[in-house]
Amino acid sequence: DAKTTQPTSMDCAEGRAANLPCNHSTISGNEYVYWYRQIHSQGPQYIIHGLKNNETNEMASLIITEDRKSSTLILPHATLRDTAVYYCIVPRSNDYKLSFGAGTTVTVRA
Amino acid sequence: EAGVVQSPRYKIIEKKQPVAFWCNPISGHNTLYWYRQNLGQGPELLIRYENEEAVDDSQLPKDRFSAERLKGVDSTLKIQPAELGDSAVYLCASSALGTAYGYTFGSGTRLTVV
Repeated sequence: DAKTTQPTSMDCAEGRAANLPCNHSTISGNEYVYWYRQIHSQGPQYIIHGLKNNETNEMASLIITEDRKSSTLILPHATLRDTAVYYCIVPRSNDYKLSFGAGTTVTVRA
Repeated sequence: EAGVVQSPRYKIIEKKQPVAFWCNPISGHNTLYWYRQNLGQGPELLIRYENEEAVDDSQLPKDRFSAERLKGVDSTLKIQPAELGDSAVYLCASSALGTAYGYTFGSGTRLTVV
């Protein structure tokens, strides 16, 4: 898997946008970027994925730089329920195995 | 639709005792995974099944861990004998064949070995 680098932790104010960065400078041209999150005492949950274009769904937006070496997950209006560990994962293109790093612990504060 | 179901939710055992975890995946999901998550770390893959075949068990400590997936549906992960270092959360996940975005995880079994 392409190595990913994420900040260890970040805080966010409730109602504000949370921007979570991820570096993946060794990503190959056909490898996707996936984001999962894990709320305390639950299993990880899929959020979004993308290849090169920006993606948006009901949970979040994913912005991938033109050179694809980094991406940003955006939670547009963070709520207390968004407090979780967020994982940025780039699996090999011929494999669908998810390898989790330590992720970013996001704390949303009232 | 029910999600991935795991049992038990919590388990406390003494070291050297055996323990087993059970997983019922999403109906129709061909791929099943067992992960182990130590405190403060991300989940680590132990074994992956495609239907009833274990296609990746390179990270499974085979001297004490075993797994099976009978009829390509439910799966059981066993530890015998358990060691103190096996204390962790054991997560089961399933996905449709050939996807990395459709993983659905269970809530896990928290194992404490004393």
